Amino acid sequence: EVQLVQSGAEVKKPGESLKISCKGSGYSFTSYWIGWVRQMPGKGLEWMGIIYPGDSDTRYSPSFQGQVTISADKSISTAYLQWSSLKASDTAMYYCARHPATVTTFDYFDYWGQGTLVTVSS
Amino acid sequence: DIQMTQSPSSLSASVGDRVTITCRASQGISNSLAWYQQKPGKAPKLLLYAASRLESGVPSRFSGSGSGTDYTLTISSLQPEDFATYYCQQYYSTPTFGQGTKVEIK
Repeated sequence: EVQLVQSGAEVKKPGESLKISCKGSGYSFTSYWIGWVRQMPGKGLEWMGIIYPGDSDTRYSPSFQGQVTISADKSISTAYLQWSSLKASDTAMYYCARHPATVTTFDYFDYWGQGTLVTVSS
Repeated sequence: DIQMTQSPSSLSASVGDRVTITCRASQGISNSLAWYQQKPGKAPKLLLYAASRLESGVPSRFSGSGSGTDYTLTISSLQPEDFATYYCQQYYSTPTFGQGTKVEIK
């Protein structure tokens, strides 16, 4: 069974750094693109970026390029989303999600994690 | 970026109604479109991909159609468990989502 299990909720102050995680299981982690989606409180879904754990090829939405870093550690089947300096506007639910088994870089998401709530407040 | 515009942003319907949600892309996306359902406090769930292909396990009352820039999600007979928010997503280029359509009980 394919599963994506995300790290727990975080409460941080503006200016702090943060790295949240998404552990994949039940499939070959290195063979599927995995991505991150933001959902601000009461708002819609925003595609942030994706990574191919097999070679760490990473693509970002222009809206998030330079604002976050996506990485992966294939030895422990885990993808990460990190911030170097959080802002209050980063308060949101963040979902990781996996592409299906296709050869295209951009695709839909067939499996989703449960979400990680990040709250940034002074 | 390709902009995705969903309509309506919300609708009220009754159990058994036929419901249609539309998604318009700012340029042609060659059927590279997925539909998701999200219930409060839950992760989105994939319903359809490639505009009209039903994901495994999704009830057949859900269907998708369209081409070029205009796509439609149809629920043929709304069930109590279908009250949720629905999102389209294009993946023809850097993916983007529509703003969502909330389906509420009339």
